[in-house]
Amino acid sequence: GESVGLHLPTLSVQEGDNSIINCAYSNSASDYFIWYKQESGKGPQFIIDIRSNMDKRQGQRVTVLLNKTVKHLSLQIAATQPGDSAVYFCAEIVYNQGGKLIFGQGTELSVKP
Amino acid sequence: DAGVIQSPRHEVTEMGQEVTLRCKPISGHNSLFWYRQTMMRGLELLIYFNNNVPIDDSGMPEDRFSAKMPNASFSTLKIQPSEPRDSAVYFCASSPDRVAADTQYFGPGTRLTVL
Repeated sequence: GESVGLHLPTLSVQEGDNSIINCAYSNSASDYFIWYKQESGKGPQFIIDIRSNMDKRQGQRVTVLLNKTVKHLSLQIAATQPGDSAVYFCAEIVYNQGGKLIFGQGTELSVKP
Repeated sequence: DAGVIQSPRHEVTEMGQEVTLRCKPISGHNSLFWYRQTMMRGLELLIYFNNNVPIDDSGMPEDRFSAKMPNASFSTLKIQPSEPRDSAVYFCASSPDRVAADTQYFGPGTRLTVL
């Protein structure tokens, strides 16, 4: 069936470097995408979102890129800090298919000091 | 705002016992969601409510699971009888949007262990 998945289950980066977390999705009808960050022992926390009619959106130190041609989503974190260590989930919504938020598997980001 | 509040934070029970998880959504949010998270299956949507009405419960695993939302500020997820395979972290989330899912704010979760 349709699914959202991540390319890499783990990612280790050096403090100060940029991080790129990737996500592939299979439903071309997806309307909306969200990146969540989940720290150990906590619930997922909203980071940034992007509508399907956009290809880029920037926040504070984070940028989300959407490539609908290849159904690919990425989260870029600039100047990665130890506090960025967490599991990152991409999620999608298809409004005319129930509007439910469907999560991918998650990528664990580890930042080395 | 205190955010989404869940209780208890941890629950350990024996197989066959009834378990009730509680959630208080963010004030003013119209939608409430219950998720289950396990290592094997990741985050799964169990059920969601809009304006206190259950909209989609297709994710509820079986009849042992039930959820209610008697008013805009409270929801429960009940498992009766509980089984070891129900062990997981259960999250409640709420959203300010009328349409189901957009930006959701998650609670801290309840870690359930069924022995």
